[in-house]
Amino acid sequence: KQEVTQIPAALSVPEGENLVLNCSFTDSAIYNLQWFRQDPGKGLTSLLLIQSSQREQTSGRLNASLDKSSGRSTLYIAASQPGDSATYLCAVRPTGNQFYFGTGTSLTVIP
Amino acid sequence: SAVISQKPSRDICQRGTSLTIQCQVDSQVTMMFWYRQQPGQSLTLIATANQGSEATYESGFVIDKFPISRPNLTFSTLTVSNMSPEDSSIYLCSVGSYTEAFFGQGTRLTVV
Repeated sequence: KQEVTQIPAALSVPEGENLVLNCSFTDSAIYNLQWFRQDPGKGLTSLLLIQSSQREQTSGRLNASLDKSSGRSTLYIAASQPGDSATYLCAVRPTGNQFYFGTGTSLTVIP
Repeated sequence: SAVISQKPSRDICQRGTSLTIQCQVDSQVTMMFWYRQQPGQSLTLIATANQGSEATYESGFVIDKFPISRPNLTFSTLTVSNMSPEDSSIYLCSVGSYTEAFFGQGTRLTVV
């Protein structure tokens, strides 16, 4: 069974700092990997989707990379803002339909 | 993309009762997924619901506890039956197959 781990579990940074969130997974046979943001009491908002054949995806201040062979993905957030405060989840999809989620990184950006 | 509406957004229920959560999608989709997020935990898939067939449940989840309906290609319901405090969680529906996944805003359930 696929296991997904996210480090760190919590992170607090001052506004303007660049930061990296890490995601590792045990089975490299994945179809894609997706990063989500979850705000308190809310659902999930999709941030970036990386197909297994891709190395990275970018959207605005966000950049996600994927190293399938080593079972790792990173989410880079540039010039962090207080509005970035949320829990960030990575999810991997094997060849079936199910996503396997990590436990998330709770990010706090201090003004 | 897909826009998913979930109702209710939150509820507080007495133990032993049942709650039905509704999920409406703005486009026709083949598969809909129901997830549970227990406090401090990540998301766990409960079941996959295909229109016109019985839902497929993941290990640890049974139909008697979590009956699911899928009457058409845009709607599904999940019922949490005979609730106990351990069922207090966020329940989310999701759509998407081999592409991007989209989620509803979730239903925060508290069982007292």
